[in-house]
This record gives sequence, structure tokens and C-alpha cells, in this order.
Amino acid sequence: AQTVTQSQPEMSVQEAETVTLSCTYDTSESDYYLFWYKQPPSRQMILVIRQEAYKQQNATENRFSVNFQKAAKSFSLKISDSQLGDAAMYFCAYRIPTGNQFYFGTGTSLTVIP
Amino acid sequence: KAGVTQTPRYLIKTRGQQVTLSCSPISGHRSVSWYQQTPGQGLQFLFEYFSETQRNKGNFPGRFSGRQFSNSRSEMNVSTLELGDSALYLCASSLRSTGGKNEQFFGPGTRLTVL
Repeated sequence: AQTVTQSQPEMSVQEAETVTLSCTYDTSESDYYLFWYKQPPSRQMILVIRQEAYKQQNATENRFSVNFQKAAKSFSLKISDSQLGDAAMYFCAYRIPTGNQFYFGTGTSLTVIP
Repeated sequence: KAGVTQTPRYLIKTRGQQVTLSCSPISGHRSVSWYQQTPGQGLQFLFEYFSETQRNKGNFPGRFSGRQFSNSRSEMNVSTLELGDSALYLCASSLRSTGGKNEQFFGPGTRLTVL
């Protein structure tokens, strides 16, 4: 069974600094997709970044980047130059390509300190 | 393009009652998935509908059911409510049911409180 683990329930970062959120997953599949979603206090979940497992190159979206370690089944999110608007709950998610079922971690609550 | 909408946004029910939640996907999206979000549990997958057919189902009791209409709108029903059903119920839509970088777009959720 696929599981996703986020071991940091809460994290904080100073504005303009860098923070890394951890995520590990367990799967026997070789092809899959990984996502980071952000849920601000207004509750609407939005996609931050995604990674295809067959790609060795780490995905990057502006200030957001991932460190994807397939062998270690690790998928961490790095937020550079943190901004107040980055404060939110961040969820790591896993999806197999043959289905549309997402497996989510329990989330990491990120606080940005001015 | 309008996003995913969910109604109602808030609901208060008592134990034993039943409830129906509604989700309207993004125009053109044919897949609708439902999730239950509770503190400490994260998001748990309930089920997915595609072209009016249930494609996947999570590990929830039969009290949780859903359906999808021809216009892709979906409803979720919970019968015989229990206190533990109190949660945020999220709906997510996507273009397809399988393949590729298929991204899910989430609605704002319905906050259900069972007293």
C-alpha cells in the first residue's frame, strides 16, 4: 500500500530565509507522480509543484524547488526567500499514473515570521 | 474559467441524520474526487467519479456514498451521521481519470459539524 509521511507537523521560517519541508513515501511502483500542495488559511488547496518519478531532474517553480531522491523515496520541498504569503499548510501527495487516487501526507504547518 | 465550487460551505447536523454535499467541477473536467480532511489525519480519499461511474473507492464505510451526473457535477451523501464524521470535505476535479500530469483542482470545501 502507498503511504506518505510528513514528519514535521509544524515549521517556522524567518521572512526572506529558506526552509525545507520533508516528505517520504512508500510504494512498490516504479512510475508515479509526486506533488506538493499548499492550503492557506482560506482552505483552497493549490498545486505548488509536481515531479514525475521517471525524471531525474528536480522540478523547480520560481522560489519552490524539490529534492527528489527516488532510491530513498524522499521528496522534500525547498522554499527560498520565504514570504508572508507562504504561510500555509503544505501537503505532500503521491499518485500512480494508472489511477486518479492521491495519497496525502498529514501536512506541515508553515509559519513565516516577519 | 470558474474554479471548483462546493455547496454548502458549512453544515451543522446531529447524530443519526444524513447529509448531502455538492460539488461542481471546472468546466470540461470529467473526474471528481472526494476527500475527508481531519486534523492529524490529513486528507483521506473517499472516492472518484468519472463519466458518472465510480472509478476508485477509499476505505470508508458504506454510509459514505456518491454519484455523478451527466454534467459532471457530483454529490456525496453520508447517512446515519456519527460524531467522527465531523470534518472538512474537499472535492477535487481533473480533466481525466488516468495518466500523465493529471492535476487535481480543489474546491474550498464543506465544513461538516456533527453534534
